Amino acid sequence: AQSVTQLDSHVSVSEGTPVLLRCNYSSSYSPSLFWYVQHPNKGLQLLLKYTSAATLVKGINGFEAEFKKSETSFHLTKPSAHMSDAAEYFCVVSDWNAGNMLTFGGGTRLMVKP
Amino acid sequence: NAGVTQTPKFRILKIGQSMTLQCTQDMNHNYMYWYRQDPGMGLKLIYYSVGAGITDKGEVPNGYNVSRSTTEDFPLRLELAAPSQTSVYFCASSYSGQTGYGYTFGSGTRLTVV
Repeated sequence: AQSVTQLDSHVSVSEGTPVLLRCNYSSSYSPSLFWYVQHPNKGLQLLLKYTSAATLVKGINGFEAEFKKSETSFHLTKPSAHMSDAAEYFCVVSDWNAGNMLTFGGGTRLMVKP
Repeated sequence: NAGVTQTPKFRILKIGQSMTLQCTQDMNHNYMYWYRQDPGMGLKLIYYSVGAGITDKGEVPNGYNVSRSTTEDFPLRLELAAPSQTSVYFCASSYSGQTGYGYTFGSGTRLTVV
């Protein structure tokens, strides 16, 4: 069985400072991992994905994530937060044994202060 | 290219009423999914389909039914609405059941049962 734990339900940063959103996963096999972003009253947008290629994955809007198998982590980072980054972020895992069913973490709400 | 289209965007139902949430995709994706998102939570899988004529239960199927008569359409039926079904519903599609393919999500249907 696969599961995802997002370690912080809320993260608050000042504009221009780094962002770190933490995610740990559990999967029986080599997983695929995703980060999705959801702006208020909007659908989900794919930020980036890891699919067993390079462990450092670059996504849209300056975000990146590093897959660390030994730590079962897939933390999302951005060097400098922008006001438009304020949103809900979901870490998601899937593996072939689960037929590409996505398992979502509980989400992290990112707040960006001026 | 519209992607995944959901209708309606908002709906208020009375307890015991029935309704169908519509979902259409124009990307020729073979996999389609219905998720629900409760406040402050990640998404949970209700039903999914791997192709026309094939559907299967997800994590939280009780109180819902689906059908998949065409590749494009995947409606979700609520037969006897209950307050516990108040949620935001997302339809999604993907090209393949293989891991690594991200989903395309619709913009959601916000349902309130009173």
